Amino acid sequence: KQEVTQIPAALSVPEGENLVLNCSFTDSAIYNLQWFRQDPGKGLTSLLLIQSSQREQTSGRLNASLDKSSGRSTLYIAASQPGDSATYLCAVGWAGSYQLTFGKGTKLSVIP
Amino acid sequence: DVKVTQSSRYLVKRTGEKVFLECVQDMDHENMFWYRQDPGLGLRLIYFSYDVKMKEKGDIPEGYSVSREKKERFSLILESASTNQTSMYLCASSIRDRGNTIYFGEGSWLTVV
Repeated sequence: KQEVTQIPAALSVPEGENLVLNCSFTDSAIYNLQWFRQDPGKGLTSLLLIQSSQREQTSGRLNASLDKSSGRSTLYIAASQPGDSATYLCAVGWAGSYQLTFGKGTKLSVIP
Repeated sequence: DVKVTQSSRYLVKRTGEKVFLECVQDMDHENMFWYRQDPGLGLRLIYFSYDVKMKEKGDIPEGYSVSREKKERFSLILESASTNQTSMYLCASSIRDRGNTIYFGEGSWLTVV
């Protein structure tokens, strides 16, 4: 079964700190991987999309990497701000399927 | 700016009622999806559609049906609502190519009493 795991489930950091969120997946037949942000009670907002042929993607203070061989992706957030507080989810698209498999997310709290 | 609109943000329905959740996207996307999100279980796919009048079951289709009569609109139907269908429902869309970003609506909170 294709599974996506995000550890830790929750993370609290002081403002200004650089941090890394982790996502691991069990199947190397990955098509792409997306990172999303979800604010409480809201829908998901796409942050970064990495194709299976890519190693990383960057947007502003965010950098996502992909290592298919080890089944891992990381989301790096530089100089964290209180406004970054949210739940971050990764989702894997698999070869031969329209479906995405979501991790359960990491709830990030950035303390002023 | 991309837009996926879910018509109802908060609904309270009685057990046994028929419930319609509507979703409209304005991006001419071929693919549309319905997920539900529950604490501890994450997002689970209910149904998706890759074209008008086409639908495929996701991981948890039991108790649900869908309708896609027009490209921009994808409806989720609960034929006879039950309390275990109390959840957050999320609609999403994407273009046909699987390598592209998926866009989500704001979600519909459904409570079945």
